[in-house]
Amino acid sequence: DAGVIQSPRHEVTEMGQEVTLRCKPISGHDYLFWYRQTMMRGLELLIYFNNNVPIDDSGMPEDRFSAKMPNASFSTLKIQPSEPRDSAVYFCASTNPTAGGRRDTQYFGPGTRLTVL
Amino acid sequence: DQQVKQNSPSLSVQEGRISILNCDYTNSMFDYFLWYKKYPAEGPTFLISISSIKDKNEDGRFTVFLNKSAKHLSLHIVPSQPGDSAVYFCAATYGGATNKLIFGTGTLLAVQP
Repeated sequence: DAGVIQSPRHEVTEMGQEVTLRCKPISGHDYLFWYRQTMMRGLELLIYFNNNVPIDDSGMPEDRFSAKMPNASFSTLKIQPSEPRDSAVYFCASTNPTAGGRRDTQYFGPGTRLTVL
Repeated sequence: DQQVKQNSPSLSVQEGRISILNCDYTNSMFDYFLWYKKYPAEGPTFLISISSIKDKNEDGRFTVFLNKSAKHLSLHIVPSQPGDSAVYFCAATYGGATNKLIFGTGTLLAVQP
């Protein structure tokens, strides 16, 4: 399996621009998570989906952030408008707790490093 | 409010010696704990976990200890190898959270040859 795929790997944009991050989970995984990593707060959960339905978006910092999962193999995280304080590494992860693996083992993508100037 | 805390941002250890990474938590509902390892430019990968019904779990060179009364867990790596140099994240969850992990801020381990 190719693992969790994220694109782009790096994104540099100017304040006020719209940014869209993309994620393809591991095939067969029915949970998908979006995280943000910063030095100050470590890995923060932004939102997660189960069977394409958003379950918990309490970590989404502001209305400028939105996430969608139109089908089982694709999800987007959008920031509109972007601000310099959004600069961070954004990770997508997926898991399938019913597959007999360890409970709560999540598989992470390589991340998207976002820089907002 | 950080529910999972890793108070040491970094740790340096000589190759062959023991590395001890620490993690504290505040939420007494947490019943499952995990350690993830992260290399630069890669996503975190699962390393080892422990249920709250245990106080120790061992996997090769890696052992996790859980002290529920102190709300503290630690990861021991013996012996440490240069390839262990990475950021280590502690994470916690509880039964009602349905796969929602709460991560700490991470500790950068540097193993010197």
